[in-house]
Amino acid sequence: DVKVTQSSRYLVKRTGEKVFLECVQDMDHENMFWYRQDPGLGLRLIYFSYDVKMKEKGDIPEGYSVSREKKERFSLILESASTNQTSMYLCASILLAGSTDTQYFGPGTRLTVL
Amino acid sequence: KQEVTQIPAALSVPEGENLVLNCSFTDSAIYNLQWFRQDPGKGLTSLLLIQSSQREQTSGRLNASLDKSSGRSTLYIAASQPGDSATYLCATLTDSWGKLQFGAGTQVVVTP
Repeated sequence: DVKVTQSSRYLVKRTGEKVFLECVQDMDHENMFWYRQDPGLGLRLIYFSYDVKMKEKGDIPEGYSVSREKKERFSLILESASTNQTSMYLCASILLAGSTDTQYFGPGTRLTVL
Repeated sequence: KQEVTQIPAALSVPEGENLVLNCSFTDSAIYNLQWFRQDPGKGLTSLLLIQSSQREQTSGRLNASLDKSSGRSTLYIAASQPGDSATYLCATLTDSWGKLQFGAGTQVVVTP
């Protein structure tokens, strides 16, 4: 079974801190994604990566950056955390995008910024 | 830009009733449509994936239909059980990168 793990389930940070969220997948998937999920808004794509060191902006990249130094690991970075970044963050991976492929999700990190 | 809508936002049914969850989307040029389940505070689990060339998919008590021309998908859950209580999200795939566009979800409560 594909396994996607995230470094923390719950995280509390202060405004202005630099925050790292890490995601690891164990199935040699090509593409990885970071979403945030807020009540009533569903999941919104922050960034995605289609190869090591390659990244593309999603719909809401402002205030975030990402790093993919190894194929299995995709990190989301909040350069200077703000209260409006309090949210559930979900990581996902997919082998290759195709009509029959599905994304596999990690358990999520609930981040609170005080 | 693809817009995905799920109505209703919340639904409560007694155990044993059939569940009908609706999803609509604005761009019919999709690769596939997927239904996910999310338990409180957890990640998403894929339930069904319908390719653009298919009209429906079934898995156990779950059946999902797809009508691309009208931009609609329906998830049916037969003989609901309390264990079906969760949030159900639909998502469309419209590009080759694997990016999904999600609806906001329908929160389902099945009462014993």
